[in-house]
Amino acid sequence: DAGVIQSPRHEVTEMGQEVTLRCKPISGHDYLFWYRQTMMRGLELLIYFNNNVPIDDSGMPEDRFSAKMPNASFSTLKIQPSEPRDSAVYFCASSSNNEQFFGPGTRLTVL
Amino acid sequence: DQQVKQNSPSLSVQEGRISILNCDYTNSMFDYFLWYKKYPAEGPTFLISISSIKDKNEDGRFTVFLNKSAKHLSLHIVPSQPGDSAVYFCAAGNDYKLSFGAGTTVTVRA
Repeated sequence: DAGVIQSPRHEVTEMGQEVTLRCKPISGHDYLFWYRQTMMRGLELLIYFNNNVPIDDSGMPEDRFSAKMPNASFSTLKIQPSEPRDSAVYFCASSSNNEQFFGPGTRLTVL
Repeated sequence: DQQVKQNSPSLSVQEGRISILNCDYTNSMFDYFLWYKKYPAEGPTFLISISSIKDKNEDGRFTVFLNKSAKHLSLHIVPSQPGDSAVYFCAAGNDYKLSFGAGTTVTVRA
C-alpha cells in the first residue's frame, strides 16, 4: 500500500483565493482525520470522519473551512477565502484502530 | 486548551546514551497514549503506544512508561542513535480522537 496520499505537497496562493487540499486514505481504513500544524499551536485536529460521515468538526477554525468525504477513498479540505494566517502544514491521516497513519502533508502559504 | 503538554521543546543527547522524553496530560478520560516521530518534510510516523491499563510497554530500543496517578508518560530511547534525531510527539486518545503535544526536537550528537 502506498500509504496516505496528499496533494498538492506545496501550495502558494494569494489572500482571498480558494484552496483545495486532497487526501486519499489507506484502503480499508474507516477513519479519516485532517490536522493543521503551526509553530504557535502545534498539531491540532480540525475534523474527522468515520465511514465518510463527519463525526467531530469542532476543530475547524471558522466557516471559511469546509471538509468533505464523498467516498471511502477521497477527502477534501477547502479554504475559501484563504487568509495569510491559514499558512501552515495540513496533514491527513487515516486509521482502522487507535493507530493513525499520516500523509506527507501539504505546506500551504497564503501571501 | 492544551490537554497534552510536552514542556521540553528540545533535547540534545550523545550517541549511545539514553534519551528521555516527557509528556503530561490533563484529561483522565484518555484511554490510550502514543508516541509519534517526525522527520522534516514528512508526516508523523507511529512509534509506540500504551493502553491506560498498563504502566509499561517496550519495543526494542523504545520503552514507554505511564503513571496514571500523575497523568504523566515518558519515552525512553536506549541507546540513542543518530537516526533518532527528529521531532517526537506525544498523543493521547479516546474514541479514535487524538490530542497531540507540541513536540520535542531530539538531536543525537555523534
